[in-house]
Order: sequence, then C-alpha cells, then structure tokens
Amino acid sequence: SQKIEQNSEALNIQEGKTATLTCNYTNYSPAYLQWYRQDPGRGPVFLLLIRENEKEKRKERLKVTFDTTLKQSLFHITASQPADSATYLCALVPSGGYNKLIFGAGTRLAVHP
Amino acid sequence: EPEVTQTPSHQVTQMGQEVILRCVPISNHLYFYWYRQILGQKVEFLVSFYNNEISEKSEIFDDQFSVERPDGSNFTLKIRSTKLEDSAMYFCASSDRTANEKLFFGSGTQLSVL
Repeated sequence: SQKIEQNSEALNIQEGKTATLTCNYTNYSPAYLQWYRQDPGRGPVFLLLIRENEKEKRKERLKVTFDTTLKQSLFHITASQPADSATYLCALVPSGGYNKLIFGAGTRLAVHP
Repeated sequence: EPEVTQTPSHQVTQMGQEVILRCVPISNHLYFYWYRQILGQKVEFLVSFYNNEISEKSEIFDDQFSVERPDGSNFTLKIRSTKLEDSAMYFCASSDRTANEKLFFGSGTQLSVL
C-alpha cells in the first residue's frame, strides 16, 4: 500500500541546534515533494518544494534533500529557535494524479531555550 | 500578502443538518481544494477543483459532499445530512498551478456536529 511516514512523535531539541526531520514514502514516485509548517489550529503554510532532479534545496535556515532511490526526504532547520516549534508536514502528489496533494502525519518539533 | 479566507471560523450543527462552508481563494488562482483534519490526525485531501469541475476526489468525498464555485470569487463545500464523524477542521486551499506547486491554505472552519 502507499504510505508517507514521518516521525509522528515529538522531536525535542535545544535552541541553536540543527533539527532534522525525516519523510519516507512507499509505493509513490513523486516528481515533487513539498514541506509545510502547521501551527495549532491553523492551516499548513508552504515552506519549500524540491523536484526529483534536485538533490538539495535551501531557503535561509531551511534545507531539504530528496533521495528518490531511498524514497526519502530530509528537512533540516539550522540554528533552531523556539519560534520554530510547530508541526512540519511533508506532502507529495501521487504519480498519475496531478491535482491531489497528499500529506504525511507530520512531526511535532519543540525547540527549548 | 494575499490570503485565502474562510467563513465561518466555527460552525456548530445538529446531526442530520446541512452545512455550507465558504472560502474566498486568492484572486488570480485557478486551482481550489478542500482538506479536512480530524483532531490529532493528519490533513486529509477531500477534493480538487479546476475549470468549474472536480479534477480529483478522495474516497471520503462521497455523495454527502459537494463543491461549487457560485461566482468568480467564492468556493463552497456543502455537507448534507451531517454525521458526528464529520466533526473536523476543514481547510480550503488554492494555487495558481497544480497541486505539484505551492498551495495556500486558509485558517480553517472548525465544524462540530452534535
């Protein structure tokens, strides 16, 4: 069956450290993979998109990698801050479906001062 | 920055009643979506809409649900004969390209079915 798996348990890190979140997918062959941030009671907010022919994408303190062989994306936040505390969702469009973005369950990140 | 707006923010209804959730997507966007999130669970795709018709829908989106773009600015989700299990946060989203690109989400409507 098709799955998107993220560490659904909370990830606790100290301020200033790098947070690394994992997204693994099974039985999908996405051309793109997206990452979103969700705060409690709010809608997801787009952060980054990476294409299958890109190994790495950066935006300020954020970095995403995409390994289509391992079927995995890693999301890094460097120099983390308490304001980065949120749930981070990975999302993809299944091959054969062009207008249907599917989300993983998300990883809750808590950055402690 | 332009945003997707949803009304109402909270809706309480009795089981069996019909509700309409409203959304105003970003004005130059062409692709529209509804998602739902049951408390503590993941964001689930319901339906996508393009060129005045449904482009994709999930198994959740059965005959109880319908979507409409009644005019040039609004996008609505109608839920007929609501059930207790329809209680969830419903998010509208829009994009200027397909779901392969960036989606902009609204703040959601919290639907409570009693």
